[in-house]
Amino acid sequence: GQQLNQSPQSMFIQEGEDVSMNCTSSCIFNTWLWYKQDPGEGPVLLIALYKAGELTSNGRLTAQFGITRKDSFLNISASIPSDVGIYFCAGLNNFNKFYFGSGTKLNVKP
Amino acid sequence: ETGVTQSPTHLIKTRGQQVTLRCSSQSGHNTVSWYQQALGQGPQFIFQYYREEENGRGNFPPRFSGLQFPNYSSELNVNALELDDSALYLCASSPNRNRVGNYGYTFGSGTRLTVV
Repeated sequence: GQQLNQSPQSMFIQEGEDVSMNCTSSCIFNTWLWYKQDPGEGPVLLIALYKAGELTSNGRLTAQFGITRKDSFLNISASIPSDVGIYFCAGLNNFNKFYFGSGTKLNVKP
Repeated sequence: ETGVTQSPTHLIKTRGQQVTLRCSSQSGHNTVSWYQQALGQGPQFIFQYYREEENGRGNFPPRFSGLQFPNYSSELNVNALELDDSALYLCASSPNRNRVGNYGYTFGSGTRLTVV
């Protein structure tokens, strides 16, 4: 079953708004990854996080590795129409098992 | 440099049959991972290959097997297909020393398998 709980499941926002989504688990994770998947394509890696408390940016995207090592969040600032897609968190837990979350579907209205 | 390429893009098989899916890793990448993505779900890790040997496995039965070749390309084989095997199968390659680890640096576009 799913080891990662990702929320929200979907979001409808206006172009220019900021977006926040998160991922939680009952297990400790050693690595957190965030991906974006467009229809008909494989996931594209956006940000990788390697230690608790780490805050990493990639353009308008910022992600953080939670201090408890059981959560992570992704923020997108000043959203644009091409941000539309499904965002997945993923991670390697302390049992050396790799999991994806169930995704957050982002819709941006121009 | 070329990315990860998968073939075929779509496939229809009958329950009980066997299927082989293929993946060419990105140039310079020597680790390949396979994932199953059911409709509306996140990908689930099947297994990973490094230097032609299985290097980690998710919760999939033995009828899911794989191979990696000396040029780092890979195959996923599924025997005795079941209806629930219908999904998008994704391959990802990673460079050996990349800190992201070996689980998914560059993904292919996948093979859509339908079992009827």
